[in-house]
Amino acid sequence: KQEVTQIPAALSVPEGENLVLNCSFTDSAIYNLQWFRQDPGKGLTSLLLIQSSQREQTSGRLNASLDKSSGRSTLYIAASQPGDSATYLCAPTSGGSQGNLIFGKGTKLSVKP
Amino acid sequence: NAGVTQTPKFQVLKTGQSMTLQCAQDMNHNSMYWYRQDPGMGLRLIYYSASEGTTDKGEVPNGYNVSRLNKREFSLRLESAAPSQTSVYFCASMPLAGDGEQFFGPGTRLTVL
Repeated sequence: KQEVTQIPAALSVPEGENLVLNCSFTDSAIYNLQWFRQDPGKGLTSLLLIQSSQREQTSGRLNASLDKSSGRSTLYIAASQPGDSATYLCAPTSGGSQGNLIFGKGTKLSVKP
Repeated sequence: NAGVTQTPKFQVLKTGQSMTLQCAQDMNHNSMYWYRQDPGMGLRLIYYSASEGTTDKGEVPNGYNVSRLNKREFSLRLESAAPSQTSVYFCASMPLAGDGEQFFGPGTRLTVL
């Protein structure tokens, strides 16, 4: 059974810092991996999708990498801003064709002005 | 495009009452999903529909039923609500099972007394 771990569970940084969020998963037989952000009381917003054939994906100040063989993904946020404060969730797809996501418990990020 | 919409946003039920959560997407996606999110547990898959006309159980299906009414709509029914079903429920869709990004609705916050 796929298990997803996100470290750290919470992170507080001053504005302007570059930071890395970590995600590890136990079953490397995944199709894709998505990173989401969730603001308090809100739904999930998709940030990046990395296909299994890709090593990384970039969107603005965000860069996500994927190493299937080691079961790891990282989300790099450059020049953090207070608006980046949210919970970040990592979700690889399960094996098979159902596209089912398995979620980690997230990293709660707080960026202080 | 509205994306994924869910109704209602909030609901309070008494133990034993029934209700249906509604979900619709206007992105012409084939696959739809229902998750629940509980503090400390992360998001867990309840049921999914890989394509119109098919539904399958996820990780936590007990106490729920689903209906894929058409390509756009996927409903979740609680036949006899229990306090353990107090949670936030999210609906999601993706173009094809296992291929592409999942997009989430805003959620339904359900309390069972």
